Amino acid sequence: AQKVTQAQTEISVVEKEDVTLDCVYETRDTTYYLFWYKQPPSGELVFLIRRNSFDEQNEISGRYSWNFQKSTSSFNFTITASQVVDSAVYFCALSEMNSGGYQKVTFGTGTKLQVIP
Amino acid sequence: EAQVTQNPRYLITVTGKKLTVTCSQNMNHEYMSWYRQDPGLGLRQIYYSMNVEATDKGDVPEGYKVSRKEKRNFPLILESPSPNQTSLYFCASSPTGIKGNEKLFFGSGTQLSVL
Repeated sequence: AQKVTQAQTEISVVEKEDVTLDCVYETRDTTYYLFWYKQPPSGELVFLIRRNSFDEQNEISGRYSWNFQKSTSSFNFTITASQVVDSAVYFCALSEMNSGGYQKVTFGTGTKLQVIP
Repeated sequence: EAQVTQNPRYLITVTGKKLTVTCSQNMNHEYMSWYRQDPGLGLRQIYYSMNVEATDKGDVPEGYKVSRKEKRNFPLILESPSPNQTSLYFCASSPTGIKGNEKLFFGSGTQLSVL
């Protein structure tokens, strides 16, 4: 069965510090996709990034970067020079196909990030 | 604007009183699903729908019903709500649901309290 573990429940950093959010996943499939979603205090869920299991190239988008390592089944998310607007709950998610041929997305329990000014 | 619309945003009810949370998307998506979010448990899938008149159970379907009579709408029905269904509910959609790489588009959430 697929599983996503976000061991860090809450993290607090001071503004401008770098912070890494950890995500470890379990799957028996060879083809799968990994996602990160952001949930700001307003409550909506916002898509940040997706990665497929065949592409281990790291990605950078502004202050955000993602490190996908298949060997350790991890898909970690780093925010460089954190800002107060980064305060949110961040969810890592694993997407596979279920027995019926439809997308099955499993979410981690989320990491609450607080950036202190 | 492309969006998933959920109503109501907040709902307080009493045990046993039937309620419906509505969900509508304007992106012509075939795949829609419902999740509940609970502290320490993340988001768990309740039901999903592949298309009109096609639904299937997710991980936590007990106590819920859904229907998909029109492509754009996917209401969540609690026939006899209980306090353990107090939660934050999200509706989500994606274009087809048959590709694992499709991102989910989420509604703004419904905070339900069952007293």
